[in-house]
Amino acid sequence: EAQVTQNPRYLITVTGKKLTVTCSQNMNHEYMSWYRQDPGLGLRQIYYSMNVEVTDKGDVPEGYKVSRKEKRNFPLILESPSPNQTSLYFCASRTGLISYEQYFGPGTRLTVT
Amino acid sequence: KNQVEQSPQSLIILEGKNCTLQCNYTVSPFSNLRWYKQDTGRGPVSLTIMTFSENTKSNGRYTATLDADTKQSSLHITASQLSDSASYICVVSAGGGGFKTIFGAGTRLFVKA
Repeated sequence: EAQVTQNPRYLITVTGKKLTVTCSQNMNHEYMSWYRQDPGLGLRQIYYSMNVEVTDKGDVPEGYKVSRKEKRNFPLILESPSPNQTSLYFCASRTGLISYEQYFGPGTRLTVT
Repeated sequence: KNQVEQSPQSLIILEGKNCTLQCNYTVSPFSNLRWYKQDTGRGPVSLTIMTFSENTKSNGRYTATLDADTKQSSLHITASQLSDSASYICVVSAGGGGFKTIFGAGTRLFVKA
C-alpha cells in the first residue's frame, strides 16, 4: 500500500530536549515536505526537499532542521524544542512538479512543556 | 503578499443538502489550485486539482471551479452525507515547480442528520 508514515504519532517533551520525528514514503517520490498546522491557521511549510541531499526552507523554518540522505526518508529535527513549537506536524510526499498528487502522513501531535 | 482566504469559516447543513465553499487567493505566479478534505486528526486528502487553463473539475459529488481572472475558486458539494463532515482546505501553489504552497485556513463543514 502506497503511504507516508510518521513516527511518533504523539509526543510530549520538555523544553530543550532534542527530538526527531521520522517520515518515510514507499512511493519513490523525489519531493517531500514538512508542514505544521495550528488552530485557525492553514498548514505552513517548514522545509521541503526536491531530492536526496537537496533541501530548502519553507515559510517557517526557524528552530527546525531536516536531512535527506535517502529518497524514502525525510526526518524533522528539533534541536532545542520550545513551547511555541507545540503543534500538529505533517510530512508529505508528491509525485512531480506541476500537476502532482501530494500524499500526507497521518500527523504527529507534539507538545512541548 | 501571497494569501489564500476561505469562507465561511464554518458551516452547518442538513444531510442531503448542497453547499458551496469559497476560496479567494492572491498568489503570484499562479501554478495550480487544489482542494483537500481533512478529517479530524488525519492528514489532508486531495479532492481536485486545477491548473490555470481549467475552470471546472469534478470528483464524484465534489465539483471545483476556478476563475483565474478574479482569483476565486469554489467547491460545491452535492447531496451531502454525514461522512462529508470535515475541514476543506484550499491550497494554491506558486512558481514553476509549485513548491511554494499557500494553504487556506479551511472551512469546517458539519453535516447533520
